[in-house]
Amino acid sequence: DTGVSQDPRHKITKRGQNVTFRCDPISEHNRLYWYRQTLGQGPEFLTYFQNEAQLEKSRLLSDRFSAERPKGSFSTLEIQRTEQGDSAMYLCASSADRARQFFGPGTRLTVL
Amino acid sequence: GQQLNQSPQSMFIQEGEDVSMNCTSSSIFNTWLWYKQEPGEGPVLLIALYKAGELTSNGRLTAQFGITRKDSFLNISASIPSDVGIYFCAGQWNGNQFYFGTGTSLTVIP
Repeated sequence: DTGVSQDPRHKITKRGQNVTFRCDPISEHNRLYWYRQTLGQGPEFLTYFQNEAQLEKSRLLSDRFSAERPKGSFSTLEIQRTEQGDSAMYLCASSADRARQFFGPGTRLTVL
Repeated sequence: GQQLNQSPQSMFIQEGEDVSMNCTSSSIFNTWLWYKQEPGEGPVLLIALYKAGELTSNGRLTAQFGITRKDSFLNISASIPSDVGIYFCAGQWNGNQFYFGTGTSLTVIP
């Protein structure tokens, strides 16, 4: 399968712990996006990479959140000192142009 | 940020019926996308629209880019049980960020 993959699919952690998620985009896609989705809502934009450069960050991305895409391929999203309000589905998407974004299956985070 | 309102919030229809839903924005967009999401999965891209007035089909799905550039419409003809899911619109103005609507939940009764 050559779609966007995310790992892990589910993560349960205790408040205050750090977590890291990985996203592998569709190969040849130079654009990569992270979104957060809570129950009953549409995805909300967090950040965007073009190749390895992080070009846009939402105000939703607090100082506890950091994303990297070191070689312009896979990306990681780290949340430090997790809070219960961080519980959500974290979605990654990739695209080859500015328009059509293809999503991965998401990582469901539960903070206890 | 941009607010996208989707209508209706939910729909319960009989199998075989046609479905119409829409999405309105407070701002104009250059691109509209329609996605379908099933529980526990990421959204799946259905249709992409790139200019005002454009009408695009994907099988039984047809979407239109409103001429005001502030709205878009999705129609599903002859619904089947596997059409069940949440349908999201997403709009983009001139950057890289897409703004998503709150979704229309579709239930198809066999």
